[in-house]
Amino acid sequence: GAVVSQHPSWVICKSGTSVKIECRSLDFQATTMFWYRQFPKQSLMLMATSNEGSKATYEQGVEKDKFLINHASLTLSTLTVTSAHPEDSSFYICSARDGTESNEQFFGPGTRLTVL
Amino acid sequence: GQNIDQPTEMTATEGAIVQINCTYQTSGFNGLFWYQQHAGEAPTFLSYNVLDGLEEKGRFSSFLSRSKGYSYLLLKELQMKDSASYLCAVLDSNYQLIWGAGTKLIIKP
Repeated sequence: GAVVSQHPSWVICKSGTSVKIECRSLDFQATTMFWYRQFPKQSLMLMATSNEGSKATYEQGVEKDKFLINHASLTLSTLTVTSAHPEDSSFYICSARDGTESNEQFFGPGTRLTVL
Repeated sequence: GQNIDQPTEMTATEGAIVQINCTYQTSGFNGLFWYQQHAGEAPTFLSYNVLDGLEEKGRFSSFLSRSKGYSYLLLKELQMKDSASYLCAVLDSNYQLIWGAGTKLIIKP
């Protein structure tokens, strides 16, 4: 079945540093990838949608200059949290859609970011 | 606006049956998903309904009524490992997933 991986699975960084999270579709080509953020005991919040080779579409309230998304290939999307602050600490999850008639999104295992 | 409602928390007994309801109001409809999410983990796919009716998959079944904007997830023969959050999500007319807040299911022995 469709597998999506994320790296790293967890990261701790100092305030002011930048962190890059990778999302890869391992056995299919992901025409569309999604980045979500989830705070404790809350539901998933969509941050942005990215299509391969084009700029990401950010949800209202998400700073595109702070959360840089690159979807350079059909199997890789990256999210870079620039100048991270403690309030950016969260669980970041990517998902991917394969562009077939199936509308299912396949989720990565998530990345736990802690900013000190 | 778009809205998905599901109970915040439910409690059930091991071996029993539980039904988790979800009502939705969205701009367009291209299907409804149920996901299971254990604490600290990403969601895992349970079911997808796009036509009215009941879809059965092992111990889990999902029902959809598009005219009522209503779905439920039915879990039978509950096991302790079923303790998790269950997320209802609707694919809207732009093929974006609109997420409910999730229902935390607690299974007691």
